[in-house]
Order: sequence, then C-alpha cells, then structure tokens
Amino acid sequence: EIQLQESGPGLVKPSQSLSLTCSVTGYTITSGYDWSWIRKFPGNKMEWMGYISNSGSTNYNPSLKIRISITRDTSKNQFFLQLNSVTTEDTATYYCARRKLRRDYFDYWGQGVMVTVSS
Amino acid sequence: QITLTQQAESLWISPGERVSITCRASQSLLYTDGKHYLSWYQQRPGQTTKALIYHASVRTDGVPTRFIGSGSGTEFTLSIEHVQPEDFAIYYCLQTLKSPWTFGGGTKLELK
Repeated sequence: EIQLQESGPGLVKPSQSLSLTCSVTGYTITSGYDWSWIRKFPGNKMEWMGYISNSGSTNYNPSLKIRISITRDTSKNQFFLQLNSVTTEDTATYYCARRKLRRDYFDYWGQGVMVTVSS
Repeated sequence: QITLTQQAESLWISPGERVSITCRASQSLLYTDGKHYLSWYQQRPGQTTKALIYHASVRTDGVPTRFIGSGSGTEFTLSIEHVQPEDFAIYYCLQTLKSPWTFGGGTKLELK
C-alpha cells in the first residue's frame, strides 16, 4: 500500500525557514510520477506549491519561486520542502501528494502537517 | 494563472438529496488531446484527501457511481446523487492544464 507521511516542526518563527519531509512507502519516488507539496490555509484556500519529478527536475509556483526549494533523498525515499523567509501568511496545513501522470490527478496524499508561523 | 471559482462556499443538504457543485475556470481547460484537465477532490476530517474525478468526467478507481463529473470548456460540475452521510465534506476542483496548477476555493457540504 502506498503511503505518504509529512513530518516537521509545527511552529516556525517569522523570517526563519520552514522545512518539511515527506516519507514515501510502498513506491519508489524515482520510478515514476511527480511529487508535490500543497498547502491549505485557514479558511480552506488550497495552493499547489511545486513538485519534484521522478528524474529530479522541479517546477515551482511562481508566487513562491524565490523562497521555495524541493529536494529529495532517493536512498531514503523521501522528498523535502524548504520555504525561506516565512511570515504569518505561511501558516497552513502542508500536504505532500503524488500526481498520476497522463491521467493528471493527485492519487495519493499525506495526512497533512499543520505549521504555524509565530514568534 | 488560471483562476477556478467555486461559487458556493457551503451547501446545506439532507441525506438522500442530489447536489451539484460548480467550478468555473477563467479560461478553457481543454487541451489539444481532447481532454479537460480538471479534477475533483474530497476532504474529510481525519482522512487523506481523495481524488474523485479526473479529466472532468472520469471517476477514479473505487469511487461510487453516485459521484458524477460533467462539463466542458470553462464550466464544470460535480454532482452527487443520493447523498450519503459520509459525503459531508469539503470538495475542491483543480486544474492541471497550465502551471501553476490552481484549486477552486472549496465547497463544504453541510447537513441541513
């Protein structure tokens, strides 16, 4: 069974960096598909942040482009989100998800991790 | 970027009723392959987000037939026939035609 699990600190101070890990079990992230980070703000607005492909290329939402980095550790079957210079507006629940290519939808999601940006 | 508008933030319905959730795109989601790059998702508390529909009208594996996706161009609808208690959730549309991929604002189905 394919599972994605987010982990990371639940509280980050303004101006610092937010770092999250998505651990994938049941499927190798280099085998196919691309792997995204998505967040949900208080009030339910959702935002796609970016992805890393199975080959390691990345695509980011331009709204975040100067602050975001998505990387991976293939030996651990994990991928990571780093978001720099956070503000209170980055307070959200962060999800990792797998996108099924050709059919073009997110078929597996993590449970989400809530991150609060506050001093 | 493409904007998706879900007009209703909340819809109040009773179990057994039929409900339609609409999603309007700021431009056509039709690609040259003849497919619309619009999918629908369900979020329930304590559960992982579930994909219901892709390419506007194709149910994902295991999704009950009471979930029906329809529409074309810029106007799309997710209909749920004979709503069940487990269907009370938040529903989102998502376009993956053009990056950045964008979500609708979400529609919460609430018990009347």
